[in-house]
Amino acid sequence: EVQLVESGGGLVQPGGSLRLSCAASGLTISGFSMNWVRQAPGKGLEWVAVISHSSRTIYSVDSVKGRFTISRDNAKNSLYLQMNSLRADDTAVYYCARENVPSGMDVWGQGTTVTVSS
Amino acid sequence: EIVLTQSPGTLSLSPGERATLSCRASQSVSSSYLIWYQQKPGQAPRLLIYGTSNRATGIPDRFSGSGSGTDFTLTISRLEPEDFAVYYCQKYGSSPPWTFGQGTKVEIK
Repeated sequence: EVQLVESGGGLVQPGGSLRLSCAASGLTISGFSMNWVRQAPGKGLEWVAVISHSSRTIYSVDSVKGRFTISRDNAKNSLYLQMNSLRADDTAVYYCARENVPSGMDVWGQGTTVTVSS
Repeated sequence: EIVLTQSPGTLSLSPGERATLSCRASQSVSSSYLIWYQQKPGQAPRLLIYGTSNRATGIPDRFSGSGSGTDFTLTISRLEPEDFAVYYCQKYGSSPPWTFGQGTKVEIK
C-alpha cells in the first residue's frame, strides 16, 4: 500500500521545538519534491514548505521562515520538519504530501497534530 | 504573492444538482499549475483535478475543471452523496508560495 505516515506531533509550550517526520512506504520519494501543509482547527489548508528531490531548492511560507526547517533523507525515504520558536498560531494538523509535477500533491499522509499552548 | 479567492464560501445544494465553484487569482496563473482538492471531515485532502482540467486517477467524470488566466472553475455535474465536502484550489509551480484558496464547502440543502 502506498502511504505517507507522519509522526512527532504533540503538545508543546510556546517557544518550544518539535521535529515532525514523514515516512514513506510503498513508494519512493527520492524523485519527487515533498511538501508540508498545515490546517489550523476549523480553518483551511496552508502550504508550509517544499523541498526539491535533491534538497537543492527549498521554499517556505513567510510566517515560518527562520523558525521551521524542512529536510529529507532519501536513503531513509523520509521527510522532516524541524519547528523551533513555536507560537500558538502554529497549532494545526500537519500533513506531508508528495508533489508529482504536473499533477500536484497526489499522495498525502493522514496528518499529525501539533498543539502549542501553555 | 498570488492570492486565490474562492466563491461562494458555502454552496447548499441537493443530490443530483449541479455545483459550480469559482477560484479567482489576483494575478495570472499558469493553467498547468492550477489544482483542485477535495477534503472530507477528519480526512486528508484528495487530489481531484490537476493542470486546470485533468482528472486525477480514479476521479469520476462528473468532476470537471476549466479556466485560464485568473479565473478557474470546478464543476460537479450531478452531486452524489459522497461529494459533499470542502473543495480547495491551489496554485503551485515556479514561484512560491504554493497558495491555497480558502475553500468552498458544498453542503446538503
